[in-house]
Amino acid sequence: AQSVTQPDIHITVSEGASLELRCNYSYGATPYLFWYVQSPGQGLQLLLKYFSGDTLVQGIKGFEAEFKRSQSSFNLRKPSVHWSDAAEYFCAVGAGYNDYKLSFGAGTTVTVRA
Amino acid sequence: DGGITQSPKYLFRKEGQNVTLSCEQNLNHDAMYWYRQDPGQGLRLIYYSQIVNDFQKGDIAEGYSVSREKKESFPLTVTSAQKNPTAFYLCASTQRDRSVRSVNQPQHFGDGTRLSIL
Repeated sequence: AQSVTQPDIHITVSEGASLELRCNYSYGATPYLFWYVQSPGQGLQLLLKYFSGDTLVQGIKGFEAEFKRSQSSFNLRKPSVHWSDAAEYFCAVGAGYNDYKLSFGAGTTVTVRA
Repeated sequence: DGGITQSPKYLFRKEGQNVTLSCEQNLNHDAMYWYRQDPGQGLRLIYYSQIVNDFQKGDIAEGYSVSREKKESFPLTVTSAQKNPTAFYLCASTQRDRSVRSVNQPQHFGDGTRLSIL
């Protein structure tokens, strides 16, 4: 079964600084990988997904993520953080197109200071 | 605008009561999902449905039940058998695609229902 680890529970970053959120997955074959963002009391919004092709994936809100098979990682990055990026971020892994389930990490809370 | 509507936003349950959480989507999506979210944990899958009149148990289905009589609706019942029902419940959906080069995991989420025990 697949699983996801997000090593950082909480990250604080200054507005305008770069952000990187770590995600490590465990799965034997090529995984389907996702990043979601959740604002307090809201549902999740899909930022980006990877299932094949170019290992650098562009998403919404200026985010990107890079799939590194050798490191079993799918880290999320943003070059310059805005105060509105303060939220909780979840990495998730699926086992393929015919597997409708996702395994989520525990999430990383991002605080943005002025 | 198309989307997923969950109601109510807040719900309270007395001990021994069953409660039903509503999830409606107007995205014409085939697949729908129910997740439970607890503080400090990721989302855990309760049930999912790939098509009308069909659904499968997720990782934590005990104490929950669902139905999928209409494409746009996927209600979740939290029964009295669920001993720790206090949580944030999220409904999700996606368009189903059987081709290999596709993504069938949830891509749209509702705003959730917070269930508490009185």
